Amino acid sequence: DIQMTQSPSSVSASVGDRVTITCRASQGISSWLAWYQQKPGKAPKLLIYAASSLLSGVPSRFSGSGSGTDFTLTITSLQPEDFATYYCQQANSFPPTFGGGTKVEIK
Amino acid sequence: QVQLQESGPGLVKPSETLSLTCTVSGGSVSSGDYYWSWIRQPPGKGLEWIGHIYYSGSTNYNPSLKSRVTISVDASKNQLSLKLTSVTAADTAVYYCARRGGSGRSFDYWGQGTLVTVSS
Repeated sequence: DIQMTQSPSSVSASVGDRVTITCRASQGISSWLAWYQQKPGKAPKLLIYAASSLLSGVPSRFSGSGSGTDFTLTITSLQPEDFATYYCQQANSFPPTFGGGTKVEIK
Repeated sequence: QVQLQESGPGLVKPSETLSLTCTVSGGSVSSGDYYWSWIRQPPGKGLEWIGHIYYSGSTNYNPSLKSRVTISVDASKNQLSLKLTSVTAADTAVYYCARRGGSGRSFDYWGQGTLVTVSS
């Protein structure tokens, strides 16, 4: 299985801050990477697919980049509704695997 | 708008079989454009893909669970089902059904999830 490692595991930030989350794959996955946002008690919500494609309706302050093994999710100007846990997921090969999550907390 | 809704017992005894159903509305499990998946999340932990089914009935399972998992589809009811045998406390989790769409093979629609606790 491809292992997905996210860092940091948690980050404290303030409204208006820029936040960057990193995801590293244990082997190359081209651009087959997705990012999800999950709030407590809710299902994950797809934000970005194919490493950098923003799903329709997702605010433009979210962006993704990277290819191969190293990927980044950036949230510019953090909003109150963005405090959540974020997961990356590789879609290159079976089984699909997820990172361990990054919790974005209020400073 | 596609909606998915999981249903099934919230409590299962150890060694028994966990059975869940996912009802799809606003879309068809018979569409050849999508795979229909089950994903689980133990309390306070990360996400684990269990497996998926294609409209043709073709399945893929996570090797870690393959010996215990069966996913099936009932096109007449627009439902997919999950059976997990010989459960233990380690199978306690929120179980989600999700659609893997054309968006970079990602999971674009999810059910709200159902908590299944394995306990005697």
